[in-house]
Amino acid sequence: EIVLTQSPGTLSLSPGERATLSCRASQSVSSSYLAWYQQKPGQAPRLLIYGASSRATGIPDRFSGSGSGTDFTLTISRLEPEDFAVYYCQQYGSSPRWTFGQGTKVEIK
Amino acid sequence: QVQLQESGPGLVKPSQTLSLTCTVSGGSISSGGYYWSWIRQHPGKGLEWIGYIYYSGSTYYNPSLKSRVTISVDTSKNQFSLKLSSVTAADTAVYYCARANPFWFDPWGQGTLVTVSS
Repeated sequence: EIVLTQSPGTLSLSPGERATLSCRASQSVSSSYLAWYQQKPGQAPRLLIYGASSRATGIPDRFSGSGSGTDFTLTISRLEPEDFAVYYCQQYGSSPRWTFGQGTKVEIK
Repeated sequence: QVQLQESGPGLVKPSQTLSLTCTVSGGSISSGGYYWSWIRQHPGKGLEWIGYIYYSGSTYYNPSLKSRVTISVDTSKNQFSLKLSSVTAADTAVYYCARANPFWFDPWGQGTLVTVSS
């Protein structure tokens, strides 16, 4: 099983600041199979990034993804008030077919 | 655009079977190319993939839950369903249905909280 470890657990930032979230895999993950989601309280996760770096439909360009192998990053260039949420990375691979990281909470400082 | 909606009891007694249905609108389950999945989230915790079904009926389950999970599809109703047997308090969670393309999940249903309690 590929384990995804996200860091930090919580990121305290102010609106307008840059957020950098990390997702590290226990084994190499194909970039094609790495995705990021945003989840707000009481809502379902929403797809942000797929294929490690492609933005999903309707996602603002302040969100960007990068990385390869075992290290992936989600960057929010300038935090807007609506960006404060929990972010999850997810990989597709061998059994179990899909696994998620434990999440990073981006909170208002 | 495709939308998914979960439905089912919000309270299940210990040792009983949890049953949920996901209704798909705006697209056909039978169109192929997608894996119709169930995912759960324990209160305040992360996400756990439970299993999927393809429109043909083929399934694949998370090994950690495989012995208790059954996912079925009704293409005539454009629905797929989850059954989780012998539930305990550890199965209390928000259950989501989602479409996998197959590498990532989009869209998701809004989720439904299922509490296991006597």
